Amino acid sequence: AQSVAQPEDQVNVAEGNPLTVKCTYSVSGNPYLFWYVQYPNRGLQFLLKYITGDNLVKGSYGFEAEFNKSQTSFHLKKPSALVSDSALYFCAVRDRQNFNKFYFGSGTKLNVKP
Amino acid sequence: NAGVTQTPKFRVLKTGQSMTLLCAQDMNHEYMYWYRQDPGMGLRLIHYSVGEGTTAKGEVPDGYNVSRLKKQNFLLGLESAAPSQTSVYFCASSYSGGPQETQYFGPGTRLLVL
Repeated sequence: AQSVAQPEDQVNVAEGNPLTVKCTYSVSGNPYLFWYVQYPNRGLQFLLKYITGDNLVKGSYGFEAEFNKSQTSFHLKKPSALVSDSALYFCAVRDRQNFNKFYFGSGTKLNVKP
Repeated sequence: NAGVTQTPKFRVLKTGQSMTLLCAQDMNHEYMYWYRQDPGMGLRLIHYSVGEGTTAKGEVPDGYNVSRLKKQNFLLGLESAAPSQTSVYFCASSYSGGPQETQYFGPGTRLLVL
C-alpha cells in the first residue's frame, strides 16, 4: 500500500535559521514526489516536485527538497527561514502505475518565530 | 483567470440533509478531483474525473456522488449528510493525468454536519 509519512506534527525554528520538514514514503517503483504549502483558510499551493534527474529540486519561495532513494525520503529545506514561511506543509506522492491518485502526508505545521 | 473556485465557502447541515458542492475551473483542465481534509490525516481523495462525462472512485467515496457534465465544473453531492462528513473539502484540477502534472487547488469548503 502506498503511504507518505511526515513524522513531525510541528516544527519550530527561529527566523534566519535553516529549516527542514521531513517526509518519507512507501511507494512501489519510482515515485513522483511533491510538496505543497497551505496558509490559513486557503487551498494548497504547489511548492516543488521531483520527477527525475537531479536529486536536489529547487522550488518556489527559496524552498528546495532532496530526494534520497535509499532512504525513501524527500525532505523539504530552506537555508534561512522567514516568519512568513509559517504554514502547514504537505508532502505528496504518486506512483507510475496509479498516477491519477495523490497520496498525501498528514501535514507538518511550521512555526517560524521572529 | 480565477483558477479553481469553490461554492459555498461554508455550510452547516443537519444530519440527513443533502447538498451539492460546486467546483469550477477556468484553466481548461481535463482532470478534476475532490478531496476531504481532516485533522491529522492530510488529504484523502474522494472522487476524480479524467474528462467531461467521466467519474471514478478515490480512496473514500462512500456517502458521496459526483458529476462532470461540463468540462469546467465538477460537482460533489451528499445525499444524506452524516456527522462523519464534517470536514474541509478541496477541489483540484490538472491539465492532464500525467504523473508530473501539478494539481491546482481551490480555497476549500468547510462543512459542518450537526
